[in-house]
Amino acid sequence: DVKVTQSSRYLVKRTGEKVFLECVQDMDHENMFWYRQDPGLGLRLIYFSYDVKMKEKGDIPEGYSVSREKKERFSLILESASTNQTSMYLCASTQWGGSYEQYFGPGTRLTVT
Amino acid sequence: DQQVKQNSPSLSVQEGRISILNCDYTNSMFDYFLWYKKYPAEGPTFLISISSIKDKNEDGRFTVFLNKSAKHLSLHIVPSQPGDSAVYFCAASVISSNTGKLIFGQGTTLQVKP
Repeated sequence: DVKVTQSSRYLVKRTGEKVFLECVQDMDHENMFWYRQDPGLGLRLIYFSYDVKMKEKGDIPEGYSVSREKKERFSLILESASTNQTSMYLCASTQWGGSYEQYFGPGTRLTVT
Repeated sequence: DQQVKQNSPSLSVQEGRISILNCDYTNSMFDYFLWYKKYPAEGPTFLISISSIKDKNEDGRFTVFLNKSAKHLSLHIVPSQPGDSAVYFCAASVISSNTGKLIFGQGTTLQVKP
């Protein structure tokens, strides 16, 4: 059974804090993605990675960075959290050249106060 | 610039009837389309997909129709069940990019009433 796990389901942080969101997949997938989901805006791509140490900006990368040191792990970093980064964060993975079906983790509800 | 649009934020149908969810896209390079279903506090799960070489794909109660000339796709659920109540996202991709990158619509919240 395929699995994408995220380090936290709920997280509350203060403005200005550095925040790490971790994602791990056990499917040996090459491609991994970070999205945020906001009401009325759908899922918007923040960053993605198609290989270890490789990363590409998505549609809304400002205020975020990522790290992929191992194939199975993809981290999203909020360098200095702000209230407009309060959102649901979703990680996903897919196989290179596969069916394009992305497998999602359960999400992290981040609140920045 | 919203390349994939779901113009209906919500839809309510009676149990047993048909649910039709719609999606429009603007980028003619998209050649693969997917539908995802999302329950609250869970990640989206894949439902059904269609390649641009087809105009219909069916999987049990779920059928996706693609009209390339209109840049429109729709998801039909027949018969609708209360357990189908969820947010539905359509997504589009360019296969040749090899990135696996998907562009998602805003989502439509479906409520199926018993």
